[in-house]
Amino acid sequence: QQQVKQSPQSLIVQKGGISIINCAYENTAFDYFPWYQQFPGKGPALLIAIRPDVSEKKEGRFTISFNKSAKQFSLHIMDSQPGDSATYFCAATLNNAGNMLTFGGGTRLMVKP
Amino acid sequence: DVKVTQSSRYLVKRTGEKVFLECVQDMDHENMFWYRQDPGLGLRLIYFSYDVKMKEKGDIPEGYSVSREKKERFSLILESASTNQTSMYLCASNLDRQETQYFGPGTRLLVL
Repeated sequence: QQQVKQSPQSLIVQKGGISIINCAYENTAFDYFPWYQQFPGKGPALLIAIRPDVSEKKEGRFTISFNKSAKQFSLHIMDSQPGDSATYFCAATLNNAGNMLTFGGGTRLMVKP
Repeated sequence: DVKVTQSSRYLVKRTGEKVFLECVQDMDHENMFWYRQDPGLGLRLIYFSYDVKMKEKGDIPEGYSVSREKKERFSLILESASTNQTSMYLCASNLDRQETQYFGPGTRLLVL
């Protein structure tokens, strides 16, 4: 049973468009929600993260929107570029759980030039 | 710069073979993790270690064991490889109480 559900599994966006990836979680005790980005042949790397005390966090073209009551959070990539083509994973963790991350299933994003 | 290295990028083994996957980190991190990555299932935690000789089971430990004899090195062992263990294996590490995990490049294992 996946505690963090991610959609869509794959996404194709035109250059300059907005990419949106959604995640939903079940455990209300989760208190840290990172997004990881993985390029082919590489391991995942932290992209951006949010805590549930804020509803939005923006870093450059990347924004996390967080809806605590709905237990959902999403990644928005503005002005998507071909270099953003990668697999994106949402995750969640409990602060007292030894930093054990629970990952979503991943979204393969392709940005067409 | 944090560096996590894995001993092999690609590995082909036969069913029943004993398989060792090794991971080394150079940042004196306390925590080390082994995940497997499968399409549509994301990353699933196999085992993690929070100190030398200490280990905890993750979500899918069956068929795997681990060893951490030195702080910088964490090994994943498949005692008798099976075809359903064909997967991408990722190692990660971080400092205690640090949320960001740093991943190695992965080992793609094929069990025939």
